[in-house]
Amino acid sequence: EDKVVQSPLSLVVHEGDTVTLNCSYEVTNFRSLLWYKQEKKAPTFLFMLTSSGIEKKSGRLSSILDKKELFSILNITATQTGDSAVYLCAGRPRTSGSRLTFGEGTQLTVNP
Amino acid sequence: GAGVSQSPSNKVTEKGKDVELRCDPISGHTALYWYRQSLGQGLEFLIYFQGNSAPDKSGLPSDRFSAERTGGSVSTLTIQRTQQEDSAVYLCASSLATAWVQGAGYTFGSGTRLTVV
Repeated sequence: EDKVVQSPLSLVVHEGDTVTLNCSYEVTNFRSLLWYKQEKKAPTFLFMLTSSGIEKKSGRLSSILDKKELFSILNITATQTGDSAVYLCAGRPRTSGSRLTFGEGTQLTVNP
Repeated sequence: GAGVSQSPSNKVTEKGKDVELRCDPISGHTALYWYRQSLGQGLEFLIYFQGNSAPDKSGLPSDRFSAERTGGSVSTLTIQRTQQEDSAVYLCASSLATAWVQGAGYTFGSGTRLTVV
C-alpha cells in the first residue's frame, strides 16, 4: 500500500523565520510528488516535482525532490503570518489514473 | 465556472439518513475526483472519473457510498444510511486531462463538511 509521511506534524515559528517541511514517500511506480497549501478547506496547488535534484521556486517557497532517498522538502523563507496553514504532500504513481496518496500534513503556525 | 463549486458547504444529518453531496467542476475539466478528510487525517481517495471511461471506484470505503457524474460535468456523491464515522470534509477536485503534462495539479473545491449526529 502506498504511503506518504510528513514531519513535523505541527510547527510554530515567529515571523521572519525559515522553515523546512519534510515528506517521505513509498509510492509504487512513482511518477511525481505534489505540495498543496490548505488554509481553510480547499487545498491550493504549490508545486509538482518529477525530477530529482531540480529545485522549484515560487517567491519565498521552494521545493526539491530526492528520488533516491524517496523524500522531498518544502522550504519557506522569511515566513509571514499568511503562511500559517496546513501543508500537504502527495505522491502520484504512473498508473492508477491520477489518484494521489496524501500525507497527514504539517500544521504551520507563524506568530507575529 | 471559475472554480470547483461544492454544495452544501455544511451538512448535519442524523445517523441512518442518506445524503447527497454535489460537485460542479471547472468547465472543460474532464477529470473529477472525490476525497475525504477526517479530523487530523490526510486526504483519502474515494473515486475518480475521467471523461467517458469507467470510474475508478477503488477508494470507496463501503457499498453505502456511490457516485455518479452526469453528462461529463456535475458529480454527486451519495452516502446511504450514514454512520458517525462518515463525518468528515468531502473534497472534490477537477483537472484537465493534460494537467499532469503541464506540471499542474488538480484544483480543489472548498468541500462539504458532513456531520452525522
